[in-house]
Amino acid sequence: AQKITQTQPGMFVQEKEAVTLDCTYDTSDPSYGLFWYKQPSSGEMIFLIYQGSYDQQNATEGRYSLNFQKARKSANLVISASQLGDSAMYFCAMGRSASGGSYIPTFGRGTSLIVHP
Amino acid sequence: DAGVTQSPTHLIKTRGQQVTLRCSPISGHKSVSWYQQVLGQGPQFIFQYYEKEERGRGNFPDRFSARQFPNYSSELNVNALLLGDSALYLCASSLELAADTQYFGPGTRLTVL
Repeated sequence: AQKITQTQPGMFVQEKEAVTLDCTYDTSDPSYGLFWYKQPSSGEMIFLIYQGSYDQQNATEGRYSLNFQKARKSANLVISASQLGDSAMYFCAMGRSASGGSYIPTFGRGTSLIVHP
Repeated sequence: DAGVTQSPTHLIKTRGQQVTLRCSPISGHKSVSWYQQVLGQGPQFIFQYYEKEERGRGNFPDRFSARQFPNYSSELNVNALLLGDSALYLCASSLELAADTQYFGPGTRLTVL
């Protein structure tokens, strides 16, 4: 069974500083994907970044980068130059291929990020 | 292009009633997935549909059912509502069945009294 652990229920960061949100995972699947989503108070889940288990380089998307350490089974999200609009819930998720051909993500409990001016 | 749309935005029902939630995927996306997000937790997978067929099901009771239409839109039905069904119901679409990126709609917030 897959498991995603986000140990930081809440994080605070000063505007323009960098912040790291932790995520560890557990799986026996040889192939999987790791994702981060942002959920503002409006409720919509916004896709941020994806890392495949066989990707050699860490994924980056603008101010977001994923620090993937396969041996440690961690996939931390780094947000550089934080902005007030980054305040939201952040979810780490792991996707796997399942029977029937579907691709099913398992989500962590989330980390609440608050950016101070 | 329009993103994933869901209706209604909010819904209030009483225990024992039935509810239908609707989702329209991004144009060109053939796969639709449904998730339940209880307050304070991450989304839990309910169903995935592709080409009108159920291709994945999470650990939810038979009171939950869904279908996908020829235009790839989808409905989620929940019968015999319980207080514990109160949650944000999210729909996500992806280009293909095994696509590794899903795009979520704004959700339907269901309150069961």
